[in-house]
Amino acid sequence: NAGVTQTPKFQVLKTGQSMTLQCAQDMNHEYMSWYRQDPGMGLRLIHYSVGAGITDQGEVPNGYNVSRSTTEDFPLRLLSAAPSQTSVYFCASSYLYLGRVHEQYFGPGTRLTVT
Amino acid sequence: DAKTTQPPSMDCAEGRAANLPCNHSTISGNEYVYWYRQIHSQGPQYIIHGLKNNETNEMASLIITEDRKSSTLILPHATLRDTAVYYCIVRAASGGYQKVTFGTGTKLQVIP
Repeated sequence: NAGVTQTPKFQVLKTGQSMTLQCAQDMNHEYMSWYRQDPGMGLRLIHYSVGAGITDQGEVPNGYNVSRSTTEDFPLRLLSAAPSQTSVYFCASSYLYLGRVHEQYFGPGTRLTVT
Repeated sequence: DAKTTQPPSMDCAEGRAANLPCNHSTISGNEYVYWYRQIHSQGPQYIIHGLKNNETNEMASLIITEDRKSSTLILPHATLRDTAVYYCIVRAASGGYQKVTFGTGTKLQVIP
């Protein structure tokens, strides 16, 4: 098992550019989520999904879009990058048991800088 | 999910037990306590979870008070590799779509 993979590892964008952060998992997990972590801060939930075709907003969804067309993939789109989106982005997955999110497996992160 | 409160930082001597506290005074009856850690800039790693009873695995022990308003994660013999930020979160047992949120955690420094 590769677990949770994220690409790219590093990215530099100019203000106003768009890009997609990729996340994939090979554990057949229903639940997937995206977090951002700013320097010295904890993780903040951006968006999450409980299965293909089902997504919902987390704590800080503005400026980000997601979709979930397959169980394996959960891409995060930045439509018009802003310097405030400079952060480390983590993707995570988990299986659901009776609707409960079990322990989450995290990817290695994508370090994004917006200039 | 209930809120949690953790001290921002702690030190522990190498080889000694590290006891990391977490307060979750508003926890409800069906909420589990989960612990994760984040080493340097890596993705967080699951450690352990529990509901009412104390739990132990190969990484750590989790002690939950009888009233469930607080818990302690115990690393029995801390090593330098245990230096990390430790997150305590609570999560409902069932039902609904889950917004799993993390706080700022406790930065544990293991000292040689």
